[in-house]
Amino acid sequence: DAKTTQPNSMESNEEEPVHLPCNHSTISGTDYIHWYRQLPSQGPEYVIHGLTSNVNNRMASLAIAEDRKSSTLILHRATLRDAAVYYCILRDVFINSGYALNFGKGTSLLVTP
Amino acid sequence: KAGVTQTPRYLIKTRGQQVTLSCSPISGHRSVSWYQQTPGQGLQFLFEYFSETQRNKGNFPGRFSGRQFSNSRSEMNVSTLELGDSALYLCASSLAGDHSNQPQHFGDGTRLSIL
Repeated sequence: DAKTTQPNSMESNEEEPVHLPCNHSTISGTDYIHWYRQLPSQGPEYVIHGLTSNVNNRMASLAIAEDRKSSTLILHRATLRDAAVYYCILRDVFINSGYALNFGKGTSLLVTP
Repeated sequence: KAGVTQTPRYLIKTRGQQVTLSCSPISGHRSVSWYQQTPGQGLQFLFEYFSETQRNKGNFPGRFSGRQFSNSRSEMNVSTLELGDSALYLCASSLAGDHSNQPQHFGDGTRLSIL
């Protein structure tokens, strides 16, 4: 699977939107973009995934650039509970028939009251 | 619906010993993956089992092994423990069949400390 690049850390104020960027310039046409997050003292938690079109769910939105070389996870209104490490992961389901996620270092999000 | 359950939550062993960790996936999930998390290396994939067969394997030495039972429960074993094996070991399950985008659901891990 291709590699992703994320900022080491970001900071946000509570109740404000947060845009978490991810660069994946070597993404292939069949790579899906997945986001997971890991709250302190917990295992990772699935957030959202997409291929080409923007995606929304109850947790977040995923905005994918037209050339797919970058994407942005959007938390519409950050809460203290959103403080976590956010991982952007590419997964080619056609080549990799199973799960072997490459988590990378992720972005540590700090939310301040 | 019960989540992924890992036992034990904490474990202390000494160098040279062996250890077995257990994972009970979400009911109906057939894929179980194991990851090692350390401060230096982050989250690293160990292996994945699907229908009692190892489907994927990460870049870890042969001291790390696993298996999956017919009820999808999985165990991983580490033999001849080294200080560097101290880590959080995470198990994840998925409903996935082949080439699926079903998300993985993680347990809260087993914290293994080697003295």
